[in-house]
Formats: sequence, C-alpha cells, structure tokens
Amino acid sequence: KAGVTQTPRYLIKTRGQQVTLSCSPISGHRSVSWYQQTPGQGLQFLFEYFSETQRNKGNFPGRFSGRQFSNSRSEMNVSTLELGDSALYLCASRQALAGDYEQYFGPGTRLTVT
Amino acid sequence: AQSVTQLDSHVSVSEGTPVLLRCNYSSSYSPSLFWYVQHPNKGLQLLLKYTSAATLVKGINGFEAEFKKSETSFHLTKPSAHMSDAAEYFCVVSRYNQGGKLIFGQGTELSVKP
Repeated sequence: KAGVTQTPRYLIKTRGQQVTLSCSPISGHRSVSWYQQTPGQGLQFLFEYFSETQRNKGNFPGRFSGRQFSNSRSEMNVSTLELGDSALYLCASRQALAGDYEQYFGPGTRLTVT
Repeated sequence: AQSVTQLDSHVSVSEGTPVLLRCNYSSSYSPSLFWYVQHPNKGLQLLLKYTSAATLVKGINGFEAEFKKSETSFHLTKPSAHMSDAAEYFCVVSRYNQGGKLIFGQGTELSVKP
C-alpha cells in the first residue's frame, strides 16, 4: 500500500504571496490532519478533515485554511505569507475520525518564505 | 487541556548502552500516548502507543515505554542503543479514542556514539 504523499516537497515563496500544499492519504483512509513543524514552536496541529468537513482546528490565524475532496485528498492553503510561515508542513492520515487508529505521516513539504 | 513535557532536549549515549528518554504528560481526559521518531529529512514514524490497555508497551526496534498514571510519565527505553537509533524522538498525547489532534512534546535529540 502506498504511503501518504505530499506535493510539492519543496517550495520557495515571497512574503505576501499565497501557497497551496497537497496531501494524498493512504488508500482507504478518510481522515487527514495537517501539522506545522518549526525549530522554535516544534510540531503544532493545524486542522483535521473528515468526510470533506473540518472536524478539529488548532490555534492558527485564518490565513491558514484547508479543504478535503470526496476522494479524501486534502489541500492546505496559506494566504498572505509571512516570514514566520517558513516551516515543514506535515500531513497525516488515518482510517477514521474516532477510534484507536494510528496516524501515518507523509514526508512533508518544506516551505521557505523570503 | 493536554500537554507534554520532554525533560531532555538532547541525550547522548554510547552504542550498546541503555537509552532513556523522559516524558511527562498532563491531560484532563483519559489520554492516548505515543512515541514518534523522526530521522533527518524523513517523516514521522510511530514507535509505540498506549491506549488504556497494558501499561508496559512494546514497540518497534526494541523500544518500550511504561505508562505510570501516578507519576504522569511515559518514558521511552531501549536496553541497547544502536547507531541507527540516532534521531529526534517525540512524545505525543491525544484524547483517548479521538486521536485526530496530536499534541507533541518539544522533542529529544538522541545521539549515539560509537
């Protein structure tokens, strides 16, 4: 079974621009979560999607948004990029919303904002 | 509310000696607890998880952890370190049976000397 895939793997953007990151979950997994990893703040939860609906949200500004499609693929969007948005963005998928299911992580998208 | 504190930001051991990575948690709910490992430029991999069954949990690659409710601890151990164990380790908590939102500790970098 293929793992969680994220595209692109690396991205360089300029302050003020917007960016869209993509995540394809493991086949059969319906829940997708997003995390931001930075040296200063560590790993922080952004949001979780299930059945095309946001089910859980972390403490990030509204510039961070996401969506999920009917095939469970998910995209994350950051508008009006700031230098502090430079980070590794990780996507994770799991089978269902509730229950004792492991989260499987993708390799991440490294975003650099200049 | 939930939180995790990893008591050491960096641990250095010699190959063949025991590994101890310390983690304390705080949770208003029955917690699920996890240890994840991240090798350089790679995604996160689950080492082991505690979800209210046996308090001593065995994971992959010879790692194990013991859930101690009275001490609110979930320390990770391995009897004999291998060079390939060098990586960043994260202690993680989530609300039992609602694991979509993972709360990560700040990480412990494990170095293994030959």
